[in-house]
Amino acid sequence: NAGVTQTPKFQVLKTGQSMTLQCAQDMNHNSMYWYRQDPGMGLRLIYYSASEGTTDKGEVPNGYNVSRLNKREFSLRLESAAPSQTSVYFCASSDSRNTGELFFGEGSRLTVL
Amino acid sequence: RKEVEQDPGPFNVPEGATVAFNCTYSNSASQSFFWYRQDCRKEPKLLMSVYSSGNEDGRFTAQLNRASQYISLLIRDSKLSDSATYLCVVEGQGFSFIFGKGTRLLVKP
Repeated sequence: NAGVTQTPKFQVLKTGQSMTLQCAQDMNHNSMYWYRQDPGMGLRLIYYSASEGTTDKGEVPNGYNVSRLNKREFSLRLESAAPSQTSVYFCASSDSRNTGELFFGEGSRLTVL
Repeated sequence: RKEVEQDPGPFNVPEGATVAFNCTYSNSASQSFFWYRQDCRKEPKLLMSVYSSGNEDGRFTAQLNRASQYISLLIRDSKLSDSATYLCVVEGQGFSFIFGKGTRLLVKP
């Protein structure tokens, strides 16, 4: 059972480079999310997609763009990476707000030099 | 007031102890509340939802106090395997979920 799959798991970038984090879920969930987690900061919501075709900003959207490519896939793009974007990124999905169970991928560890 | 606040700990307790965590939230309109568990360098996983009447799952009890806007998690008979970070999660705007920074628990032999 794959669940939520994120790629890549590790990435090192130089300041100014761009990259896309990919996320796919096979649970037929409507909602998908991107969070970042920094030491002492907990998980902070970057962007979410309540359903296919919609995206909304979370707490910390600056410097990121997202694409809900289809129901399964939700990508996060850094157009010009900055050291402040060094973090662990988690993708999650949920079948509805009411259940509240978020299923997370294993995380993507990004370092920007 | 931050949206979701938790005492970061760590809470150091011996095996068999009872430990309680609290979490406060600022959005009085929130309807859904949860506790997640996160092991070191792993993804968070749902521990339990929190219902208005309170709910129990084995050694874990969760309670909600809407008037004071806090939720709690009680762990009885702590096990070494309970060592982890416990995250309080509250429904945010739209279909979003807001996480607290987490409370770290260390259970020692």
